[in-house]
Amino acid sequence: DARVTQTPRHKVTEMGQEVTMRCQPILGHNTVFWYRQTMMQGLELLAYFRNRAPLDDSGMPKDRFSAEMPDATLATLKIQPSEPRDSAVYFCASGPGQGMREQYFGPGTRLTVT
Amino acid sequence: GQQLNQSPQSMFIQEGEDVSMNCTSSSIFNTWLWYKQDPGEGPVLLIALYKAGELTSNGRLTAQFGITRKDSFLNISASIPSDVGIYFCAGQWIRNTGKLIFGQGTTLQVKP
Repeated sequence: DARVTQTPRHKVTEMGQEVTMRCQPILGHNTVFWYRQTMMQGLELLAYFRNRAPLDDSGMPKDRFSAEMPDATLATLKIQPSEPRDSAVYFCASGPGQGMREQYFGPGTRLTVT
Repeated sequence: GQQLNQSPQSMFIQEGEDVSMNCTSSSIFNTWLWYKQDPGEGPVLLIALYKAGELTSNGRLTAQFGITRKDSFLNISASIPSDVGIYFCAGQWIRNTGKLIFGQGTTLQVKP
């Protein structure tokens, strides 16, 4: 049963620290998305990649957030320095094909910045 | 910007009852997706709709892509306790970009 995996599942850190979240997309999927979920804003798209190339990161605060795909099996989202307002659940999702319409979500990383 | 209005925000129903929720958009969508999210988990895709007027079922779930392409609904028949969760609609407005716009979710509670 192919699934998107994310690590860590939970992260508590102090303000100012660097946070790195990892995602392994479903094998064969060529589109990867990063979302943030909060009670106030719901699900927000931060960035996405197709064939490892970043296509859109307009939803991401550029000064502190960065997203990369070092290879087809790994996507990373980094926050440096972290702030309390970054506390949220971060989801990675992947999708198949060029005309991709469906996205399959991972279990998320719950981040708490104190 | 584009917005999705999902209603109702929450529902509390008796086991066995049917449920209906819907989403409306200020813009035309090419794709509608319905997801369910359980506590502590990511959203799980339930149904995908690709054509205006399309009606698709997945077990007790039925969803339709509105004719105007600006709305969609999800029905759950004969609800059971495991239907509890948050249901999200999502629309894709430009083919091939993959960007989804999500509704705010409908929280469903089922009383046994």
